[in-house]
Amino acid sequence: KAGVTQTPRYLIKTRGQQVTLSCSPISGHRSVSWYQQTPGQGLQFLFEYFSETQRNKGNFPGRFSGRQFSNSRSEMNVSTLELGDSALYLCASSAGNSDTQYFGPGTRLTVL
Amino acid sequence: GENVEQHPSTLSVQEGDSAVIKCTYSDSASNYFPWYKQELGKGPQLIIDIRSNVGEKKDQRIAVTLNKTAKHFSLHITETQPEDSAVYFCAASKASYDKVIFGPGTSLSVIP
Repeated sequence: KAGVTQTPRYLIKTRGQQVTLSCSPISGHRSVSWYQQTPGQGLQFLFEYFSETQRNKGNFPGRFSGRQFSNSRSEMNVSTLELGDSALYLCASSAGNSDTQYFGPGTRLTVL
Repeated sequence: GENVEQHPSTLSVQEGDSAVIKCTYSDSASNYFPWYKQELGKGPQLIIDIRSNVGEKKDQRIAVTLNKTAKHFSLHITETQPEDSAVYFCAASKASYDKVIFGPGTSLSVIP
């Protein structure tokens, strides 16, 4: 079975721009979670989607949003980028009724 | 909300020795405790997990113990090898659909 895939792997943006990241879960997995990883804050939960519905949300500003499509693929969007948004954005998928999450390789976002 | 602490932040051991990483959590409702290994440039990889109805779980050289009363759980790696060098994260969650809260990570170095 193919693992979780994330595109693009690397992105460079400037302050004020917006960005969209994509995640394709493991086949059959209906839950997708997003995390932000930075050296200072570690791994922080952004939000989780299941069957196109957001079930849980972390403590991030409204500039961070996401969605999930009927094929379980998910996107997250960050608007009005700030320097502090530079991070590794990780996507994880699970079977929905299972606790176990499997992570993708991440998208490295650099905001200049 | 849930808070997960992890110690030590860095750990250096000789090849063949054992390594122990300890975590504590704050929310007594947490019932799922995964451990992830993250190598440079990669996403976290699940190495072992334990649920609240189990006190200990072992998988080859890796074992995890859970003390629900004290809200402690630990990762034990025996006969360490250089390829065990990575950052290890403990985590906790309350349900399959709930957000996973990660500890700050332990950077393990195994010296040949």
